[in-house]
Amino acid sequence: DAGVIQSPRHEVTEMGQEVTLRCKPISGHNSLFWYRQTMMRGLELLIYFNNNVPIDDSGMPEDRFSAKMPNASFSTLKIQPSEPRDSAVYFCASRAGHANEKLFFGSGTQLSVL
Amino acid sequence: KQEVTQIPAALSVPEGENLVLNCSFTDSAIYNLQWFRQDPGKGLTSLLLIQSSQREQTSGRLNASLDKSSGRSTLYIAASQPGDSATYLCAAPNQAGTALIFGKGTTLSVSS
Repeated sequence: DAGVIQSPRHEVTEMGQEVTLRCKPISGHNSLFWYRQTMMRGLELLIYFNNNVPIDDSGMPEDRFSAKMPNASFSTLKIQPSEPRDSAVYFCASRAGHANEKLFFGSGTQLSVL
Repeated sequence: KQEVTQIPAALSVPEGENLVLNCSFTDSAIYNLQWFRQDPGKGLTSLLLIQSSQREQTSGRLNASLDKSSGRSTLYIAASQPGDSATYLCAAPNQAGTALIFGKGTTLSVSS
């Protein structure tokens, strides 16, 4: 099992540009989560999908952020336009059906907005 | 709203020491609690998951306990090794029970 796969590993962009982060969850997992990690705020939940449907997006900071899950094996997190305060590590995580299952994380995308 | 707090934020110990990391949570109506390890520049790895019906869970030199009534969990590491140096995070479910809320972690440094 390849685990949760995220791309790109690093992204450097200029303020105002569109950024798209990608995630492939573990095969068979039907819950997918996007988290953001910063030194100041720690790990914050951005959005949660169950069976490809967004269930809770209350953590998405602004309308500049959007996430999609077109199928069970792919999700994107888009920031448009990006701002320097969006600089953080963005993690994708997936879990099998039951909430008592362990959560598996990808290696993250280090985003720097200049 | 679930809030998770970890104390201390950082800890330095010599090799061989036994140590305890603390985690507290505000909403005790949880069905489980998880402890994770994060190495620098890496993602998180799940170490232990304690169900609400359990009081303890063990894996090798790691032992995690859960006291729902007091809103606390501890991670005990026996005979610490330099390879244990990492950040340890605990996470409890949000009020909806759909996702995990994380503490800010305890960064552990074990010197040889």
